[in-house]
Amino acid sequence: GQQVMQIPQYQHVQEGEDFTTYCNSSTTLSNIQWYKQRPGGHPVFLIQLVKSGEVKKQKRLTFQFGEAKKNSSLHITATQTTDVGTYFCAGIKDPNSGGSNYKLTFGKGTLLTVNP
Amino acid sequence: DAGITQSPRYKITETGRQVTLMCHQTWSHSYMFWYRQDLGHGLRLIYYSAAADITDKGEVPDGYVVSRSKTENFPLTLESATRSQTSVYFCASRWGQGAVYEQYFGPGTRLTVT
Repeated sequence: GQQVMQIPQYQHVQEGEDFTTYCNSSTTLSNIQWYKQRPGGHPVFLIQLVKSGEVKKQKRLTFQFGEAKKNSSLHITATQTTDVGTYFCAGIKDPNSGGSNYKLTFGKGTLLTVNP
Repeated sequence: DAGITQSPRYKITETGRQVTLMCHQTWSHSYMFWYRQDLGHGLRLIYYSAAADITDKGEVPDGYVVSRSKTENFPLTLESATRSQTSVYFCASRWGQGAVYEQYFGPGTRLTVT
């Protein structure tokens, strides 16, 4: 079945340092979504990427979707303590490869901790 | 504007008991989902529903039953709880068209099976 791998599993940074998490799929994706989950909270939708090579920014967060639509990354510039949490990518398998548009496959997430 | 609510938020039950987790959404979204979250496994899809009276299995459906008689409610029942079903359960609904959508999660139910 479809697998979505996410690395690293954990990342500890000093406040002000940059952070990147990477997501790789075993199959071509129709699109990819990113979620953030604060400790003790629930996943919150951040963004969706649909086009090959797409780059989107939200303030200090930059999201990229690979040209082959099999990988994605989330980069945070100058981390702040409010960035603490687990970041999940979630992919939707391309329907041309047998996927359906209602099933998200989640990566296991990257837990980011920030030392003030 | 409550969005998605789940009840109970915390539940402790014994092995073999039947437990029902409730999920209610106020948006009238067609699609709803149940996930479980366990350390080391991330979020895994248990069941989903495309509309009232339409449900289907996800990745880990064994031991669970769902129903959806009304669009706004999507209860999840553990027919005979086992310790391996100790987990945090999230309900979610989806807004959007086709493959372009946003998924909204409820606050979660932390279930412990003793």
